[in-house]
Amino acid sequence: GQNIDQPTEMTATEGAIVQINCTYQTSGFNGLFWYQQHAGEAPTFLSYNVLDGLEEKGRFSSFLSRSKGYSYLLLKELQMKDSASYLCAVMMDSNYQLIWGAGTKLIIKP
Amino acid sequence: EAGVVQSPRYKIIEKKQPVAFWCNPISGHNTLYWYLQNLGQGPELLIRYENEEAVDDSQLPKDRFSAERLKGVDSTLKIQPAELGDSAVYLCASSPFEGDYTGELFFGEGSRLTVL
Repeated sequence: GQNIDQPTEMTATEGAIVQINCTYQTSGFNGLFWYQQHAGEAPTFLSYNVLDGLEEKGRFSSFLSRSKGYSYLLLKELQMKDSASYLCAVMMDSNYQLIWGAGTKLIIKP
Repeated sequence: EAGVVQSPRYKIIEKKQPVAFWCNPISGHNTLYWYLQNLGQGPELLIRYENEEAVDDSQLPKDRFSAERLKGVDSTLKIQPAELGDSAVYLCASSPFEGDYTGELFFGEGSRLTVL
């Protein structure tokens, strides 16, 4: 079967750095996505990785290791507005089927 | 550019009643998705359309759920009859599905269903 694992909840301090990990075991792979979802709102796209390595976009970076089935989302200079759930999703193959993790709830404390 | 529009935002019904949700995708997006999301969980695909064709409905409980996308634009998702376990947020998403498409989905704000 298909499986994506993320920590359920993480807590970090405003101004600090936090790394949210995602491990996956899927029968196909055509890219990995990170989405942010504030409580009661729709998920919004953060990043897409299809090749190994680090993709940096402002305060957010995403890393992928296909051989290890592993990704992480790195958030720097944390702000209170970063309190949200972060969803990892794997695109299976050429038909663009997405498998979603349960999400990691990130709590930012002053 | 307008985003994905869904209605209603909230719906409370009694079990065994019917309910319908409507979605208007971003103009020009020919792929449309209906997802179900329970609290603390990731989205679960119900059905995916490419234009007016349902290309993946394997997870749609067809005994009570139905969907349509007439003319390849707007879509409706219907539940009849609703059960207590159907209480969830129903998310609609669209994507352009063309060229250097990366698979990014654009979500609507969702329709929160409560079945009493």
